[in-house]
Amino acid sequence: EIVMTQSPVALSVSPGERATLSCRASQSISNKLAWYQQKPGQAPRLLIYGASTRATGIPARFSGSGSGTEFTLSISSLQSEDFAVYYCQHYDSWILTFGPGTKVDMK
Amino acid sequence: QVQLQESGPGLVKPSQTLSLACSVSGGSISSGSYYWSWIRQPAGKGLEWIGRIYASGYTNYNSNPSLKSRVSISMDTSKNQFSLNLSSVTAADTAVYFCAREGEYCTNGICYTLDPWGRGTLVTVSS
Repeated sequence: EIVMTQSPVALSVSPGERATLSCRASQSISNKLAWYQQKPGQAPRLLIYGASTRATGIPARFSGSGSGTEFTLSISSLQSEDFAVYYCQHYDSWILTFGPGTKVDMK
Repeated sequence: QVQLQESGPGLVKPSQTLSLACSVSGGSISSGSYYWSWIRQPAGKGLEWIGRIYASGYTNYNSNPSLKSRVSISMDTSKNQFSLNLSSVTAADTAVYFCAREGEYCTNGICYTLDPWGRGTLVTVSS
């Protein structure tokens, strides 16, 4: 099973600043990496797939990069609605695993 | 626009079987282009993929010790819904259970990304 790790566990950012979140896979997953955003009491929402492609309707301030085992989600100029927990998920095999999440909160 | 909605008992007794349904609107679960998954999330914790069913009825299950051999996913095309059965539940199975569709967003033909999701339903295992 591919194990996903994320860092940091939590990140305090001021509105308008940039946030950079990291995700690592225990083995190479090429670019089969997705990012999700989850707000309290809501279901996760797909932001990025293929490591760097935004899903339909996702604002351009969200960007993803990386391949192999190291991935990054960047949120430029954080808006109030971006404070949430972010999960990465690999799909390099039919068994899906998620990272433990990074909580982005307001400084 | 496809929408998913989970339903089922919010309280299940230990050792019994947890049964949930996911109703799909705005699209057919029989479409071969998509597959249908269950995911769960204990309170304050992360996401755990449980398993999926393809339009053909073929299934994949998470082999984690926490779930192994207790999961069954089926579909009812007449109701346009798919279901989760989790047997021999314990308090550790208390979680919000989500259903989700896969197949819309693909990378090199691999489409195991989850979108959209249902809103989730809380299931508590307690006597």
